Amino acid sequence: AQSVTQPDIHITVSEGASLELRCNYSYGATPYLFWYVQSPGQGLQLLLKYFSGDTLVQGIKGFEAEFKRSQSSFNLRKPSVHWSDAAEYFCAKGNFGNEKLTFGTGTRLTIIP
Amino acid sequence: NAGVMQNPRHLVRRRGQEARLRCSPMKGHSHVYWYRQLPEEGLKFMVYLQKENIIDESGMPKERFSAEFPKEGPSILRIQQVVRGDSAAYFCASSPRGGGGETQYFGPGTRLLVL
Repeated sequence: AQSVTQPDIHITVSEGASLELRCNYSYGATPYLFWYVQSPGQGLQLLLKYFSGDTLVQGIKGFEAEFKRSQSSFNLRKPSVHWSDAAEYFCAKGNFGNEKLTFGTGTRLTIIP
Repeated sequence: NAGVMQNPRHLVRRRGQEARLRCSPMKGHSHVYWYRQLPEEGLKFMVYLQKENIIDESGMPKERFSAEFPKEGPSILRIQQVVRGDSAAYFCASSPRGGGGETQYFGPGTRLLVL
């Protein structure tokens, strides 16, 4: 069965510090990978996605992610976090010809002054 | 351009009642997906629909749950005889095409509480 693992349930970083959120997926042909962000009580907003091509993907709000096939990873990074980045982050995986997304359990990000 | 709309945003039901959740996809989108998010968990796929067709319902519980996406009007997720375990956030997403890999745009969700 397809799976997506986010090993960190909760991460706390200082404002201005760098951030990396981990995501690993079970291998599948032609994986499509997404990062979504969810603020409390809100829906999910797409940060970025990887379909093919350049393995370093730029997204909104200064986020980027790198697809590493050899490690089955798609980690999300930001060089300097802002207090407004505090939220829940979800990694998700799709496959060609299969519309359903498989989500990880999420990583809750807390920002401290 | 309005995003995906869901209503109601919050719904309270007593055990045994019915819950109806509505989803209006983004303009021009004919593919709708429903996901459920239990407390402290990620989203779990329930069903994928196109206009008047259920394409994939592999994530739907076998009983009490049904979904439709009529030719006119919103998509409806219906839960009959709700139980406390149905309490969750239900998210709808839409995309302009299917085929896998399409970005799914999510609505704000309906938070169902079963008393």
